[in-house]
Amino acid sequence: QVLLQESGPGLVKPSQTLSLTCTVSGGSISSGSFYWSWIRQSAERGLEWIGRLYTGGITSYSPSLKSRVSMSVDTSKNQFSLELKSLTAADTAVYYCARGDWGYFDHWGQGALVTVSS
Amino acid sequence: QSALTQPASVSGSPGQSITISCTGSSSDVGAYNHVSWYQQHPGKAPKLIIYDVNKWPSGVSNRFSGSKSGNTASLTISGLQAEDEADYYCCSYAGSRVFGVFGGGTKLTV
Repeated sequence: QVLLQESGPGLVKPSQTLSLTCTVSGGSISSGSFYWSWIRQSAERGLEWIGRLYTGGITSYSPSLKSRVSMSVDTSKNQFSLELKSLTAADTAVYYCARGDWGYFDHWGQGALVTVSS
Repeated sequence: QSALTQPASVSGSPGQSITISCTGSSSDVGAYNHVSWYQQHPGKAPKLIIYDVNKWPSGVSNRFSGSKSGNTASLTISGLQAEDEADYYCCSYAGSRVFGVFGGGTKLTV
């Protein structure tokens, strides 16, 4: 059973950069044909796909967040990461990491609440 | 504003069937057979219950079924049970630039 676990700060100041890491267990992040995504959820915006990463570090990002997002992978630790720059209160949300394929996400982390506030 | 449109709420009695609609466009739902549905209980992560319009992940009850016509996808839950009370979200592939666009969610009351 593949398990995903998000980790990172729960509180970040406006204008700063959010860094989150997703640790994958029960399967190798570099095997298979799955994509590894970040998704966030807030009351205001609902569920929002942020970006995805594929084996070899190939990435694609939501057009609405592309200018502020970057994702990376560390296969030696079976982890992938998210960086979101220039935070505002609108970025306050629960951030999920997830495994998926075209248009679906079959394994999710438990979620990490991130609050943007001074 | 969510890319896909779902009703805010639906309700049904135990044993009944309900259907939740998910309306997109010719760029997402209408263009690809990659629609998925998720069940989310309070405080929990979403759980995949349908993918590729009408396929079940391992371990998901066949009381959940999916379909699609044109730009609208639908989730039907038959034989409603109390534990089905949750929020339900649809999601569609929308091309290589937008891996997944979600609906705004539907609260099911049983």
